[in-house]
Amino acid sequence: AQSVTQLGSHVSVSEGALVLLRCNYSSSVPPYLFWYVQYPNQGLQLLLKYTTGATLVKGINGFEAEFKKSETSFHLTKPSAHMSDAAEYFCAVRGAQAGNNRKLIWGLGTSLAVNP
Amino acid sequence: NAGVTQTPKFQVLKTGQSMTLQCAQDMNHNSMYWYRQDPGMGLRLIYYSASEGTTDKGEVPNGYNVSRLNKREFSLRLESAAPSQTSVYFCASSEISVARPGPFNEQFFGPGTRLTVL
Repeated sequence: AQSVTQLGSHVSVSEGALVLLRCNYSSSVPPYLFWYVQYPNQGLQLLLKYTTGATLVKGINGFEAEFKKSETSFHLTKPSAHMSDAAEYFCAVRGAQAGNNRKLIWGLGTSLAVNP
Repeated sequence: NAGVTQTPKFQVLKTGQSMTLQCAQDMNHNSMYWYRQDPGMGLRLIYYSASEGTTDKGEVPNGYNVSRLNKREFSLRLESAAPSQTSVYFCASSEISVARPGPFNEQFFGPGTRLTVL
């Protein structure tokens, strides 16, 4: 069965420090991968996505992620954290089987805290 | 475009009461979804509708019913609310095309409904 694992349910960084949020997935087919962000008391919005082509994907707010097939990973990074980056981040992969390819398989989320 | 809208934003129910959560999207998307979000459990799919006229169960359908009223609207009904259904509920939509499979699973989310069942 497909799954998405986000290592670390809580990550804390200092303002200006590197942000690294980890995501590993399992998929029997070439994956479509997504990172979403959820700010407090809001819905989720798409940060970035990988479908095909270039493995380094750039998203909004200075975030990027690299698809590494050999490591089945899609880690999210940002060179310099800002206070406004404090949020919950979710990694997801498209369902691979014929019955669930209209759905996303979600990780449990990582809560990012940014300290002044 | 308003995107995905949900009503109400907040609701408090007593055990056994019923209610319907409303969701509408103005992006002409085929697929719509209902999720619940609970601390430490991420997003769990309750029901989804791949296209107008169809609905399917997700991971946690028990205690819920849905109606895909038309292409725009997808409602979630709790017939007899229980405290275990206290949660934040999100509706989402996406454009899925069988003829063009690919990066169309991006889902667009509503702002959520915060439901408390006492």
